[in-house]
Amino acid sequence: ILNVEQSPQSLHVQEGDSTNFTCSFPSSNFYALHWYRWETAKSPKALFVMTLNGDEKKKGRISATLNTKEGYSYLYIKGSQPEDSATYLCAFKERKSSASKIIFGSGTRLSIRP
Amino acid sequence: DGGITQSPKYLFRKEGQNVTLSCEQNLNHDAMYWYRQDPGQGLRLIYYSQIVNDFQKGDIAEGYSVSREKKESFPLTVTSAQKNPTAFYLCASSIWGQGDTEQYFGPGTRLTVT
Repeated sequence: ILNVEQSPQSLHVQEGDSTNFTCSFPSSNFYALHWYRWETAKSPKALFVMTLNGDEKKKGRISATLNTKEGYSYLYIKGSQPEDSATYLCAFKERKSSASKIIFGSGTRLSIRP
Repeated sequence: DGGITQSPKYLFRKEGQNVTLSCEQNLNHDAMYWYRQDPGQGLRLIYYSQIVNDFQKGDIAEGYSVSREKKESFPLTVTSAQKNPTAFYLCASSIWGQGDTEQYFGPGTRLTVT
């Protein structure tokens, strides 16, 4: 079974600070990398789906980068706000696996201190 | 309002009983998925379906069964053969793709078996 690692497991950040965390995945047979935000008592929601090495995507204060050759993606949050508190999940799609099947990491739980 | 519904939100069963979790979507998505989440772990894929009347085992299919008789519906049955059924279950759907399309998640069902 493929290993998708996220670090750190949890993070506490002061409101207004910027932060980032990492998703590591196998660098061979890469096809796609997903990021999801999962707020407490809500459903996970997609942030980004990235497919090309060097991809950078941005949505408001959140951005993500992708390095498929070394097998990692960073998620950045600029000027953290209380509403950013959530668990952030990444998921990896291997080229040779069945269509649509993605493997999730265990997530980074982010808490913003007001 | 388009989306995915799961019912019920909480489910309690006695050991040895089969139980069926409902998942319905009105997004016209071809692909549907069932995941399980346990504390401290990521989402693990139980079963997925890319088209009506077809489905594939995920990484932890033992003790579970599914059907896909309609595009909108993908019920999951947790059988008495599942050794540790107490968990949070999430259903998702996506347009058919190669794992490069975002998944949309339902609100989840928390199953407790005693």
